[in-house]
Amino acid sequence: EPEVTQTPSHQVTQMGQEVILRCVPISNHLYFYWYRQILGQKVEFLVSFYNNEISEKSEIFDDQFSVERPDGSNFTLKIRSTKLEDSAMYFCASKSKSSYNEQFFGPGTRLTVL
Amino acid sequence: QQQVKQSPQSLIVQKGGISIINCAYENTAFDYFPWYQQFPGKGPALLIAIRPDVSEKKEGRFTISFNKSAKQFSLHIMDSQPGDSATYFCAASGGSARQLTFGSGTQLTVLP
Repeated sequence: EPEVTQTPSHQVTQMGQEVILRCVPISNHLYFYWYRQILGQKVEFLVSFYNNEISEKSEIFDDQFSVERPDGSNFTLKIRSTKLEDSAMYFCASKSKSSYNEQFFGPGTRLTVL
Repeated sequence: QQQVKQSPQSLIVQKGGISIINCAYENTAFDYFPWYQQFPGKGPALLIAIRPDVSEKKEGRFTISFNKSAKQFSLHIMDSQPGDSATYFCAASGGSARQLTFGSGTQLTVLP
């Protein structure tokens, strides 16, 4: 069964450093999302991406965040200058064009900012 | 208005019992209501979803009940099993936006 994959599974970084989180969405999906989940809290929407551009973003997704689809398979989230409060699980999700809104989530990347 | 309120925060059920988790929303533009199951260290997995044109949807032991006028929906897990022990999130989306707004989660424990 096709699934969303994410790398790395765990990333540890120093405050102020840049990190890139990578996702490979399900192959025929065209809509891509990033969500985050701070430990013990609910899942929060960050950004959606379709047709090579951002379609929606939350107030969390400020100028330190960016997304990119550098090739036909990868979808990346970059955090330019990490802060302690960026420590969270980051989930990538994808959706097919034919689905109303069935979003399939990857296993997540645990980001720890020291 | 974007919030989805979920209760209870935690739930303990005996094996074979019925687990019921409730969610309420305010935004009348919401038109898609999924439930996700999450095991520790894993991503949320889509369990079942409903659109507001129906009041109930059943898939195996999982049923969503939807009350449009009350703006509430609930997940019923029949014949609960220890393997169902996980965190369950309700969510909602609607309008031109497709981002999911999640509830706060319910930690379900099914005792053997």
